[in-house]
Amino acid sequence: KAGVTQTPRYLIKTRGQQVTLSCSPISGHRSVSWYQQTPGQGLQFLFEYFSETQRNKGNFPGRFSGRQFSNSRSEMNVSTLELGDSALYLCASSLKGLVRPYNEQFFGPGTRLTVL
Amino acid sequence: SQQGEEDPQALSIQEGENATMNCSYKTSINNLQWYRQNSGRGLVHLILIRSNEREKHSGRLRVTLDTSKKSSSLLITASRAADTASYFCATDDGGADGLTFGKGTHLIIQP
Repeated sequence: KAGVTQTPRYLIKTRGQQVTLSCSPISGHRSVSWYQQTPGQGLQFLFEYFSETQRNKGNFPGRFSGRQFSNSRSEMNVSTLELGDSALYLCASSLKGLVRPYNEQFFGPGTRLTVL
Repeated sequence: SQQGEEDPQALSIQEGENATMNCSYKTSINNLQWYRQNSGRGLVHLILIRSNEREKHSGRLRVTLDTSKKSSSLLITASRAADTASYFCATDDGGADGLTFGKGTHLIIQP
């Protein structure tokens, strides 16, 4: 089975711009989660989608949004980029069903976003 | 906010030695998971231990969980150079904030 793929792998943007990152989960996985990783804050949960619905959301401003398509692929968007948005953005998929708890999550390689 | 806190932050040992890292957390959990990350790449799931389990093994990995102390440990036996990576614990507390990760232990295996 192919793993979780993320595109693009690297991205350089300037302040004020917006960016869209894409994630394709492992075939059959319906849950997709997004995380932001920075040296200062570590790994922080952004949101989770299941069957095209946002099920959970972390403590991030409204500039961070996402969506999931019927084929489980997911995108996240960051508008009005700030310098502090520079980070590694990781997508993870899992077999988690309608009921918690979380199963193991399979992570993609990440998108390294640099905001200048 | 961080739920798990790994200890130590960094660990350097000789190849062949055992490596132990610890994780403490604050709230009740459904399960605790350990992940490995190589140099800023994606995370790889290592092992999941549920709140009603006390110990779990997978190959050279041994994980313990003490819910009364809200702590877990990861033991890697007979370490290899390829084990050099950052190791994170992550907890699922049943809340609406996904997995909550600690800041990780950076493990260096000296050949």
